[in-house]
Amino acid sequence: GAVVSQHPSRVICKSGTSVKIECRSLDFQATTMFWYRQFPKQSLMLMATSNEGSKATYEQGVEKDKFLINHASLTLSTLTVTSAHPEDSSFYICSANTGFGHTEAFFGQGTRLTVV
Amino acid sequence: GDSVTQMEGPVTLSEEAFLTINCTYTATGYPSLFWYVQYPGEGLQLLLKATKADDKGSNKGFEATYRKETTSFHLEKGSVQVSDSAVYFCALSDVTGNQFYFGTGTSLTVIP
Repeated sequence: GAVVSQHPSRVICKSGTSVKIECRSLDFQATTMFWYRQFPKQSLMLMATSNEGSKATYEQGVEKDKFLINHASLTLSTLTVTSAHPEDSSFYICSANTGFGHTEAFFGQGTRLTVV
Repeated sequence: GDSVTQMEGPVTLSEEAFLTINCTYTATGYPSLFWYVQYPGEGLQLLLKATKADDKGSNKGFEATYRKETTSFHLEKGSVQVSDSAVYFCALSDVTGNQFYFGTGTSLTVIP
């Protein structure tokens, strides 16, 4: 199946700093990618839909100025957590699908963010 | 709107026991249905899928049948192993494949 690579897998940062997470589709082009956040022992919460060449669409309650999404190419979307705080500590996962009738979503490995 | 309701966990089973994790859905049109598995500290991996009514998805001994009449997609395995310990998510996607809806996840622990 298609491969989505997410980097880094783990990151620890200090409060007030910014962290960038990359999501790449390795063997297909993804006009749309999705960013999720997962709290401990809970399901995935869709944060935003990342559209190549245009602004991301954020879900209600997600601060777009805090979670900056850039989808500059058909194979790369980035999520930047700005001015991170301990409550931003979480597991972030991206996904993409291949389109063209394939309805399966392919997920990155996830990024464990810890803000200290 | 579309949604997925999944059996709450956690579930603890002995090795070789039979597993059922219930999943029902609400959707307009004809969604595709999925089971994803998440091992500790990792992302989600597709376990199986079904794209139309009466389809049966299967993989690694797991099975689920797309039942439109009962709007269900229950996950089953006849004999679980310790290595099956993980969190299982039921999900559906709309006809475009762009919008996914996930269940809350069911944590499974298999003990020797």
